[in-house]
Amino acid sequence: DTGVSQDPRHKITKRGQNVTFRCDPISEHNRLYWYRQTLGQGPEFLTYFQNEAQLEKSRLLSDRFSAERPKGSFSTLEIQRTEQGDSAMYLCASSRGDSSYEQYFGPGTRLTVT
Amino acid sequence: QKEVEQDPGPLSVPEGAIVSLNCTYSNSAFQYFMWYRQYSRKGPELLMYTYSSGNKEDGRFTAQVDKSSKYISLFIRDSQPSDSATYLCAMRDDKIIFGKGTRLHILP
Repeated sequence: DTGVSQDPRHKITKRGQNVTFRCDPISEHNRLYWYRQTLGQGPEFLTYFQNEAQLEKSRLLSDRFSAERPKGSFSTLEIQRTEQGDSAMYLCASSRGDSSYEQYFGPGTRLTVT
Repeated sequence: QKEVEQDPGPLSVPEGAIVSLNCTYSNSAFQYFMWYRQYSRKGPELLMYTYSSGNKEDGRFTAQVDKSSKYISLFIRDSQPSDSATYLCAMRDDKIIFGKGTRLHILP
């Protein structure tokens, strides 16, 4: 299967711990996006990369959040000092640069902060 | 007013019925309009996208965009129980904005 993959699928952590999620995009896609989705809401944009460059970050992305895409392939999203309000589904999507309206999503990482 | 408004439902219809799902929006700069389907605890799956106004058909699915009214629709013909999911509308100017999603139940 050559779709977007995310790891882990589920993560339970205690408040104050750091967590890191990984996303592997579709191989020929140069754009990679991170979204957050809470229950009953649509995905909310967090940040995106074109190749290895992080081009935009949402106001939702506080200082505790950091994302990287060091070689323009996979990406990581780290949350430091997790809070209960960080509990959500974290979704990764990828697209070709010239068709960013056509984004393909991974299965998501469900984070629960206790 | 939110940029994209979508009735969260739930919407329950009998199998075989035509389903109509809708969104309204306020930003006239939106040019691309997408519909995603999301099953429980899964990532969204792109169903269709439309550029500007008009209709687009793909199998049992038809997307309509009316930019003059800032209103988009997704029609599902001959609905099946497997169509039961949350349907998200999404729109793009410099980034994609999603609606909240409408939960759809197709009753066998």
